Amino acid sequence: QVQLQQSGPRLVRPSQTLSLTCAISGVSVSSNSVTWTWIRQSPSRGLEWLGRTHYRSQWYDDYAESVRGRMTINADTSKNQFSLQLNSVTPEDTAVYYCARETVHAFDVWGQGTVVTVSS
Amino acid sequence: EIVLTQSPATLSLSPGERASLSCRASQSVSRYLAWYQQKPGQAPRLLIYEASNRATGIPARFSGSGSGTDFTLTISSLEPEDFAVYYCQQRNNWPRTFGQGTKVEVK
Repeated sequence: QVQLQQSGPRLVRPSQTLSLTCAISGVSVSSNSVTWTWIRQSPSRGLEWLGRTHYRSQWYDDYAESVRGRMTINADTSKNQFSLQLNSVTPEDTAVYYCARETVHAFDVWGQGTVVTVSS
Repeated sequence: EIVLTQSPATLSLSPGERASLSCRASQSVSRYLAWYQQKPGQAPRLLIYEASNRATGIPARFSGSGSGTDFTLTISSLEPEDFAVYYCQQRNNWPRTFGQGTKVEVK
């Protein structure tokens, strides 16, 4: 059974970097048939897909327009996890952040969510 | 970006009643439309993928239909645990997008 366990700070100061990790159990982060994703949810923006990484003989990633240039997703094969880094955060980045697995069955496994507040 | 519009915003029903939720896409998503259920404080849970396929462990009272731009999630007879918010999501195009949700509440 695949499970995702999120970790990371819940309070981030404006202009600083938000860093979250998603530890994977039950499948390899390097699996060729899945995509690893970050999604956030806020009252103002609803559910918002942020970006993804996946392995298809090499690693690929891409990002939503709203965070491109500020966001990086990295996979760590030694720890079987992937991470999110979002730079130069503002209060607009306050949200619940989720990691999720995407397969042909859509987003079928989700992390528990992390409530992140951007505030001084 | 594909915009998904869900209706109604809120559906007030009693246990045992039938619920029909709508999701309309701004352009065709073929059959690559999924439905999720979310309860307070929880992550969304996948119910339906590719418009009409139930995810593992999802009860048969949940069914999905549609293709192209118009989709429906039907709950044949509401159980107490079905009162929640439901979202549709398309995976035909990047970026993936979600609808704004329909809340099914107890009448």
